[in-house]
Amino acid sequence: KAGVTQTPRYLIKTRGQQVTLSCSPISGHRSVSWYQQTPGQGLQFLFEYFSETQRNKGNFPGRFSGRQFSNSRSEMNVSTLELGDSALYLCASSFGTSGGGGEQFFGPGTRLTVL
Amino acid sequence: AQSVAQPEDQVNVAEGNPLTVKCTYSVSGNPYLFWYVQYPNRGLQFLLKYITGDNLVKGSYGFEAEFNKSQTSFHLKKPSALVSDSALYFCAVRDAPEGQNFVFGPGTRLSVLP
Repeated sequence: KAGVTQTPRYLIKTRGQQVTLSCSPISGHRSVSWYQQTPGQGLQFLFEYFSETQRNKGNFPGRFSGRQFSNSRSEMNVSTLELGDSALYLCASSFGTSGGGGEQFFGPGTRLTVL
Repeated sequence: AQSVAQPEDQVNVAEGNPLTVKCTYSVSGNPYLFWYVQYPNRGLQFLLKYITGDNLVKGSYGFEAEFNKSQTSFHLKKPSALVSDSALYFCAVRDAPEGQNFVFGPGTRLSVLP
């Protein structure tokens, strides 16, 4: 079974631009979560989607948004990029309902660099 | 609110020695507890989880973890460390009520010295 895939793997943008990252979960998984990982802040939860509905949202500004499609694929968008948005963005999928005991399976991440 | 603490930024052990990576947590209900490992330039890999039942949980690559409700701890252990175990380890908790997201600890870097 294929794992979680994320595209692109690496991205370089300049301040003020916007970016869209894509995540394809493991087949059959309906929950997709997004995390931002930085050396200073560690892993921070962005949002979780289940069956195309946002179930949870972390403490990030409105510049960060996401969506999930009917095939469970998810995208996250960051508008008006800032230098501090440089990070590894990780997507994770899990089977079943959010809030359950199922573990998350992570993709390799998208490394975003904002210049 | 949920929270996870990993009191050690770095743990160094000699190859062949037992290792322990510590984790304590705080939740309002019953916890779902997880350990993940991250190798350089890679995503996180699931090691093991505690949902209910036996307090000693066995996972991948010879790792195990002990759930201690009174001490609100979920320490990761391995009887004999390998150099290849060197990586960043994350403890995570999910509060049992529906709709709670995962909260990850800050991570502990494990270095196994040959």
